[in-house]
Amino acid sequence: DAKTTQPPSMDCAEGRAANLPCNHSTISGNEYVYWYRQIHSQGPQYIIHGLKNNETNEMASLIITEDRKSSTLILPHATLRDTAVYYCIVKSSGTASKLTFGTGTRLQVTL
Amino acid sequence: NAGVTQTPKFRILKIGQSMTLQCTQDMNHNYMYWYRQDPGMGLKLIYYSVGAGITDKGEVPNGYNVSRSTTEDFPLRLELAAPSQTSVYFCASSYDPTVRTDTQYFGPGTRLTVL
Repeated sequence: DAKTTQPPSMDCAEGRAANLPCNHSTISGNEYVYWYRQIHSQGPQYIIHGLKNNETNEMASLIITEDRKSSTLILPHATLRDTAVYYCIVKSSGTASKLTFGTGTRLQVTL
Repeated sequence: NAGVTQTPKFRILKIGQSMTLQCTQDMNHNYMYWYRQDPGMGLKLIYYSVGAGITDKGEVPNGYNVSRSTTEDFPLRLELAAPSQTSVYFCASSYDPTVRTDTQYFGPGTRLTVL
């Protein structure tokens, strides 16, 4: 599975959009980009995933560049409850396929 | 559905003691996983199971054992606890990771301290 690079921390004002970047320059054609988050030592929570098209769900939007070497997770209107560590993970399919968690980006949402 | 449940939430062990961390899921998922998370770090895979009776090692299996007698349950056994096993342990399950869009669902975690 390809490795990912994320900034260690980011701040965002409540009500503003939070844009979390991720680099995955060695991603291969059959690998998806997944985003999970972990709120204060709780179990990680799935947010969104995508292959090459932009994706949106009730939690967030995912923008993947055309060359697929980077992506951005967008929380459109961040709230204090969005304060968490966000993990960008590249995952392939297969029985040995596993989630490889890096250290993620710690997002702090402030008033 | 309760999802993935873990017991206990907290535990303190003495060096050399043993214990079993329990994990149960009610989503009829075939695949189950055990991760550990040390302070300030990401999760590391300990063991996983692709179905009842089938288990395999992850990145950091030393000092642990697992079994999978039913689809629902995937207990993690520590035989001789060591301070290096102080960590937060998360259990997860998924339907089928051979499907590219498969996602994992995590339990709330067990915080273990070995003194």
